Amino acid sequence: EAGVTQFPSHSVIEKGQTVTLRCDPISGHDNLYWYRRVMGKEIKFLLHFVKESKQDESGMPNNRFLAERTGGTYSTLKVQPAELEDSGVYFCASSYGSENEQFFGPGTRLTVL
Amino acid sequence: KNEVEQSPQNLTAQEGEFITINCSYSVGISALHWLQQHPGGGIVSLFMLSSGKKKHGRLIATINIQEKHSSLHITASHPRDSAVYICAVRKYGNKLVFGAGTILRVKS
Repeated sequence: EAGVTQFPSHSVIEKGQTVTLRCDPISGHDNLYWYRRVMGKEIKFLLHFVKESKQDESGMPNNRFLAERTGGTYSTLKVQPAELEDSGVYFCASSYGSENEQFFGPGTRLTVL
Repeated sequence: KNEVEQSPQNLTAQEGEFITINCSYSVGISALHWLQQHPGGGIVSLFMLSSGKKKHGRLIATINIQEKHSSLHITASHPRDSAVYICAVRKYGNKLVFGAGTILRVKS
């Protein structure tokens, strides 16, 4: 069974540009989570989808970040326009049921220059 | 102060040593996770527990809900255990809150 996949693995963009990160959860997992680790800090929660609905988006830093999960399968996280402080590693995780173990993707390393 | 505190931040051990990493938290939780991240690698879930103790191979995780404390033990440590170990708690509402991680290096 394929695990959680994320694309791209690395992205280097300039300040002001737009970047879209993608997460494909494990097939059948209805819960999908986005997390972020910025340099030197602990991983922080961004948001949680149950199927296509946003269950909790309290961790989204500001309105430059937009997450979608149309159809309840894969999810995208768009940053527009990107700022320097958005640099970090963005992790996606999925679970079957919100109280079960979360399985993490390999992360996308975003560098904003 | 973080809701999840780990200690130590860094740990160097000799191959074969018994290792303990500690995690304390200050919020109500429904479960606690121990995660592992190798350099350049993704995050792997080692354990999810809400009470008692779990064992998998050379790894043992314990949790004391009353004391809000968990420990991860590695027996007979090996250089391949070198990684960052992260404690994360699931608050009611299912959001995970992460500790800063413990960087473990096991020397041969």
